[in-house]
Amino acid sequence: EVQLLESGGGLVQPGGSLRLSCAASGFTFSSYAMSWVRQAPGKGLEWVSTISGSDGSTYYADSVKGRFTISRDNSKNTLYLQMNSLRAEDTAVYYCAKGKTSRGTTVTPFDYWGQGTLVTVSS
Amino acid sequence: EIVLTQSPGTLSLSPGERATLSCRASQSVSSSYLAWYQQKPGQAPRLLIYGASSRATGIPDRFSGSGSGTDFTLTISRLESEDFAVYYCQQYGSSPYTFGQGTKLEIK
Repeated sequence: EVQLLESGGGLVQPGGSLRLSCAASGFTFSSYAMSWVRQAPGKGLEWVSTISGSDGSTYYADSVKGRFTISRDNSKNTLYLQMNSLRAEDTAVYYCAKGKTSRGTTVTPFDYWGQGTLVTVSS
Repeated sequence: EIVLTQSPGTLSLSPGERATLSCRASQSVSSSYLAWYQQKPGQAPRLLIYGASSRATGIPDRFSGSGSGTDFTLTISRLESEDFAVYYCQQYGSSPYTFGQGTKLEIK
């Protein structure tokens, strides 16, 4: 059974940093692209970042480019999101999501999602 | 960036009725790399349709997707009580992998 468990969320001041983790199990982690998607309170889904399962290529939304870094540790089956220079508008539930296609490509829909971790940016 | 516009914003229907949700892209979505997700309150999204028309594992056949290029449709043939939720389309053919703003399907 595929499981994705996010952690690391919490309250942080504007300008601060936070690192989210997503522990994966139930599939060959290194073979799949992984992504972060966020949802601000009462709002829709916003794609944040994706990392390929093959060559480690990374992609970012313009809203987080230069501030957030996605990475993965295939030996630990864990996905990360390092978030720096946080702003109030980064407040959201952050979901990690698994790519459906096993070739590791980032051109894939998201077939499994974690339950999310809440990040609140406020003074 | 491909902007996805979903319509209507809210759709009010009764169980047993047919629902038609629209997703229009600002430019052509390559190879129909278009997905639909369902999200219920307090839950993570669930993949329904990918490749514009392929149902994901375990999705009932009352859900169907169609379209290509810039116009896509999600159809629920006969609404059941558990189908009332928010639906999002997403294009995953080119980064940034954008979502539409969502359509809320509510009970009339």
